[in-house]
Amino acid sequence: EAGVTQFPSHSVIEKGQTVTLRCDPISGHDNLYWYRRVMGKEIKFLLHFVKESKQDESGMPNNRFLAERTGGTYSTLKVQPAELEDSGVYFCASSRSLPMANEKLFFGSGTQLSVL
Amino acid sequence: GQQVMQIPQYQHVQEGEDFTTYCNSSTTLSNIQWYKQRPGGHPVFLIQLVKSGEVKKQKRLTFQFGEAKKNSSLHITATQTTDVGTYFCAAGSGNTGKLIFGQGTTLQVKP
Repeated sequence: EAGVTQFPSHSVIEKGQTVTLRCDPISGHDNLYWYRRVMGKEIKFLLHFVKESKQDESGMPNNRFLAERTGGTYSTLKVQPAELEDSGVYFCASSRSLPMANEKLFFGSGTQLSVL
Repeated sequence: GQQVMQIPQYQHVQEGEDFTTYCNSSTTLSNIQWYKQRPGGHPVFLIQLVKSGEVKKQKRLTFQFGEAKKNSSLHITATQTTDVGTYFCAAGSGNTGKLIFGQGTTLQVKP
């Protein structure tokens, strides 16, 4: 079974530019999450999709971040325009079927974003 | 909002020594999960605790959930170099899939 895949693995951009991250969850996983880890700090929740619907986007930092999951399969996270504080590792995770507590998450390898 | 505090941030041990990381919350947790992230890798699920006072073991790893469901610990007996990485606790948030992660404890093991 293929795991959660993320692309690109690394991205280096300049402040003010746009970057789009992609996540392909495990096939059949309706729940898709975006998390971010800034250097040495905790892994912070950004948002949660159930199929194509945003279930919880309370962790999105501001309106420079836009997440989509058209068709309920892969998801994209766009940062426009990027700022220095957006640097970090962006993880995507998925879990199977219903959004209930106690579901373990399967994480992708992450995208290391560096904004210069 | 809900926060989970995890200590210590770093731990260096000699191979064969024991290691413990602790998570604490000011609020009662519905459940707690533990993840391990190897250097350069991604978080991988280890275990989930749900019941008050629950203790679970995985070989040399022992996981505990406090009686009040406000704290948890992970103890590794006789560490090995393969144990290196960052260990995260993560608390479930109500009936959603959202997890609140602790800051992580990075373990270094000297051979």
